[in-house]
Amino acid sequence: KNQVEQSPQSLIILEGKNCTLQCNYTVSPFSNLRWYKQDTGRGPVSLTIMTFSENTKSNGRYTATLDADTKQSSLHITASQLSDSASYICVVREAGGGNKLTFGTGTQLKVEL
Amino acid sequence: ETGVTQTPRHLVMGMTNKKSLKCEQHLGHNAMYWYKQSAKKPLELMFVYSLEERVENNSVPSRFSPECPNSSHLFLHLHTLQPEDSALYLCASSQEDRAAFFGQGTRLTVV
Repeated sequence: KNQVEQSPQSLIILEGKNCTLQCNYTVSPFSNLRWYKQDTGRGPVSLTIMTFSENTKSNGRYTATLDADTKQSSLHITASQLSDSASYICVVREAGGGNKLTFGTGTQLKVEL
Repeated sequence: ETGVTQTPRHLVMGMTNKKSLKCEQHLGHNAMYWYKQSAKKPLELMFVYSLEERVENNSVPSRFSPECPNSSHLFLHLHTLQPEDSALYLCASSQEDRAAFFGQGTRLTVV
């Protein structure tokens, strides 16, 4: 069964600090991996998408990495802001037809003053 | 705004009621999705419509019935729901496997 596991489950950091979120998956065959940011009660917003051949991708203060061999991804947030407080969800798409997506459990990030 | 509109934003219904959730997108996307988000759980993909053809069901109970009359509209018909069906229901659309755009969701409470 395809699985996507994220860690930590929750995280509290001070404004201005950096943090790294982890995502491990067993989805196979692999198509792509996305990181989403979801504010409470709202739909997720895509931050990055990475395919098999990509190791690193940045979007402003967000940098995602992918190791397709170990099936691990990370999302690094630099110089955190209060507005970064949200749930960060890792989503892996299975290759082939059927639009099969597996969602991680998410990491709840809280940025404090 | 993401270009995906859901109505209503909030819905309270009894277990014997029949209601429908509506989703609309004019982004020209060819795939639409229904997701369920319960408290402290990851998003659960319920239904996918690609080019108006349902491609995945994900073993959703039959009390949830999707309808996709065209590529811009998606409905989720609800009947005889259970209290555990109370959740945030999110609609999304995408162009093939590109980034999905999500609506703001319908907060459903079953009493």
